[in-house]
Amino acid sequence: GEDVEQSLFLSVREGDSSVINCTYTDSSSTYLYWYKQEPGAGLQLLTYIFSNMDMKQDQRLTVLLNKKDKHLSLRIADTQTGDSAIYFCAEKDFQKLVFGTGTRLLVSP
Amino acid sequence: DARVTQTPRHKVTEMGQEVTMRCQPILGHNTVFWYRQTMMQGLELLAYFRNRAPLDDSGMPKDRFSAEMPDATLATLKIQPSEPRDSAVYFCASGLDGSFYEQYFGPGTRLTVT
Repeated sequence: GEDVEQSLFLSVREGDSSVINCTYTDSSSTYLYWYKQEPGAGLQLLTYIFSNMDMKQDQRLTVLLNKKDKHLSLRIADTQTGDSAIYFCAEKDFQKLVFGTGTRLLVSP
Repeated sequence: DARVTQTPRHKVTEMGQEVTMRCQPILGHNTVFWYRQTMMQGLELLAYFRNRAPLDDSGMPKDRFSAEMPDATLATLKIQPSEPRDSAVYFCASGLDGSFYEQYFGPGTRLTVT
């Protein structure tokens, strides 16, 4: 089966950049995804990247993809306290998404 | 604004009781998923359906859990009998299968078994 790994915790100060890393195993994934889970809520799609791209920028979010190393990262610029949440990377495996373990981001004032 | 709905939002029950959780997927979505989330185990996939047919329920304890889709607007997850270790948040998600695949999650059912 597929295995998607992430570090468990990240703590940053407000205004700093946050970088959340993920490694995946299925090199045939067409898209790779980042989901965000705010306290008390379900996961919600934050951004995604097509597998033939190296980088995608969306306002404060930058997604970097290194297909050779099967490494995906999410950079959040100017991190705000409202960005505190759990971030999951995910890849598609046949008819389901395989989610990583989730990285809990804590942003302190 | 289409959303996945789940009922109940919270459930407290005693060990040994039956628990039924319900999910209404977004109209038109052809895949439905049940997940369980705990601090210790993280997010676990329990079962999923495509066009109402069960595809994989290998993540569920078979002796006590069952998942069904009696129709396209309702998915159920049942635990009988419940145990304290079943305490978790249970999420339902739905999506329209395709190359680009987004899953829409419901708000979850927080289950506490005492």
